[in-house]
Amino acid sequence: GDQVEQSPSALSLHEGTGSALRCNFTTTMRAVQWFRKNSRGSLINLFYLASGTKENGRLKSAFDSKERYSTLHIRDAQLEDSGTYFCAAENMGYKLTFGTGTSLLVDP
Amino acid sequence: DPKIIQKPKYLVAVTGSEKILICEQYLGHNAMYWYRQSAKKPLEFMFSYSYQKLMDNQTASSRFQPQSSKKNHLDLQITALKPDDSATYFCASSRGTTNNQAPLFGEGTRLSVL
Repeated sequence: GDQVEQSPSALSLHEGTGSALRCNFTTTMRAVQWFRKNSRGSLINLFYLASGTKENGRLKSAFDSKERYSTLHIRDAQLEDSGTYFCAAENMGYKLTFGTGTSLLVDP
Repeated sequence: DPKIIQKPKYLVAVTGSEKILICEQYLGHNAMYWYRQSAKKPLEFMFSYSYQKLMDNQTASSRFQPQSSKKNHLDLQITALKPDDSATYFCASSRGTTNNQAPLFGEGTRLSVL
């Protein structure tokens, strides 16, 4: 079946620095979503992309369907950015296939 | 205020019992879904409903039965519970089931089966 490979599985950043998360897909996907799971366990929608890039504050995401990958860039990381980040790819119109998550820890 | 309400937030059950997980959405969406996240696994798609009709079922066991009494409700009944059913169950909804209609997720119900 469709698979989503997410990396890294864990990431530690100092406050003010940045990095990128990546998801590779085993097949062509129509769209990708990025989520952050907060301390209460809620899945917060960050981005939905069918193509190209989107930016929201210190976060920027890109999706290349042809090359089968998506990235999430975090810049100027803050303590409250800590949490688990998931990508989820949409192949059929309604079914999402999730990555295994990236556990991000931002320390002072 | 949360627009997708899942109840309860935490649930403990004994093996062999039956539980119902509640999901209500106040977004006017026509499609609703259930996903499950077991320990150390990614979220997995379980069911999708559109206009109260089952669209897709990726759950092998008939012990999992969605119930849609109203368009904005999709509850999940689980019978003969097993310890392996322990997971966080997420409900989601979207305007429709065609492309480019990103689902929104509830906060999940964390189920522990002893």
